[in-house]
Amino acid sequence: GDSVTQMEGPVTLSEEAFLTINCTYTATGYPSLFWYVQYPGEGLQLLLKATKADDKGSNKGFEATYRKETTSFHLEKGSVQVSDSAVYFCALMFGAGNMLTFGGGTRLMVKP
Amino acid sequence: NAGVTQTPKFQVLKTGQSMTLQCAQDMNHNSMYWYRQDPGMGLRLIYYSASEGTTDKGEVPNGYNVSRLNKREFSLRLESAAPSQTSVYFCASSELPLTGELFFGEGSRLTVL
Repeated sequence: GDSVTQMEGPVTLSEEAFLTINCTYTATGYPSLFWYVQYPGEGLQLLLKATKADDKGSNKGFEATYRKETTSFHLEKGSVQVSDSAVYFCALMFGAGNMLTFGGGTRLMVKP
Repeated sequence: NAGVTQTPKFQVLKTGQSMTLQCAQDMNHNSMYWYRQDPGMGLRLIYYSASEGTTDKGEVPNGYNVSRLNKREFSLRLESAAPSQTSVYFCASSELPLTGELFFGEGSRLTVL
């Protein structure tokens, strides 16, 4: 079945460091891909998405590029802030109206 | 804007007790969902309701029941709680058809002793 694999956390960085959180997927076909973020004590919220190969999603300084050849959708940010400390979830979906499949989540901790 | 509201936020149960988690959304969304979140396992779908009057099983429905009371409200019931149901439960809603954006509540932390 379809699945999403994320790097194990926690990821601990100093403020202004470069961030990469890896996400790869297994699926038959070409899903849409998403990153969700969960700040402490809150529910998840959509961070960015990409619906086809080579698309780049971006929001709040975060970016991720849909790589069909490597079945990946890695999340990057050039300079993290303490306020970026959260849990990040990669997810996929086939076609409108279908369910989202989430990865296990990666906790990011940014220290001042 | 309230968005998606869940109650209660915290609950401790003894094995065998029952309880209902309540969820309401004020965004006029058609679809509503219940997920559970466990460490290292991400979010797993328990039940969903694509529209008022319909409910369907998700990935992990055993031990749960749901009721779509009206367009706004979707409740999750544990009839006989088990320690394996200790988790954080999230309600979410979306427009229909889902384009990938779910709107989540703040979660309900349930501990079953």
